[in-house]
Amino acid sequence: NAGVTQTPKFRVLKTGQSMTLLCAQDMNHEYMYWYRQDPGMGLRLIHYSVGEGTTAKGEVPDGYNVSRLKKQNFLLGLESAAPSQTSVYFCASSYPGRTRNTEAFFGQGTRLTVV
Amino acid sequence: AQSVTQPDIHITVSEGASLELRCNYSYGATPYLFWYVQSPGQGLQLLLKYFSGDTLVQGIKGFEAEFKRSQSSFNLRKPSVHWSDAAEYFCAVGAPKAGNTGKLIFGQGTTLQVKP
Repeated sequence: NAGVTQTPKFRVLKTGQSMTLLCAQDMNHEYMYWYRQDPGMGLRLIHYSVGEGTTAKGEVPDGYNVSRLKKQNFLLGLESAAPSQTSVYFCASSYPGRTRNTEAFFGQGTRLTVV
Repeated sequence: AQSVTQPDIHITVSEGASLELRCNYSYGATPYLFWYVQSPGQGLQLLLKYFSGDTLVQGIKGFEAEFKRSQSSFNLRKPSVHWSDAAEYFCAVGAPKAGNTGKLIFGQGTTLQVKP
């Protein structure tokens, strides 16, 4: 059982370049999330999705776009990368239980450097 | 505003010593509470969670945490630390109701160093 898989693991971009980070989960989870991790700031939510075809902004959405065309995939796009987007990006998924939400399962992360 | 505070950015303990990592939260109602651990270069692994009921919860790897409503705290403890426990630890809170989005608010993280 792979869980949550992120592609790629590492990437170096030049300022102004674009890229897409892919997240795939095989747990049939409804909810998916993109977080970024920066030193001393913990993880902050970028965008999230509560189901196929739906997305919403999180705490730090500027400069990012997302799409959830299939239930198992959640894509994070950077249209014009900036050095401030140098970070470690984590994808996570969870499902709404019958009476309460459950814990999130995380991918291994993508380390992105923008030069 | 909803927030999570981990007052200790970095903690060093000797192997075999006890450990307590602090977590305080600000939330409108009693949230769901989580502790995650991140080993270097790895993703986040759930150590334990609190949803309701017994305020002392047991997790994996010998960790436990105690929810104290009056102090808005959810401190993580381990009676005897092993060198393999060196990692970064994150406290997180989430909305308690079903049908909510499952979004998490994280603390800043505490880096644990273990001395031989």
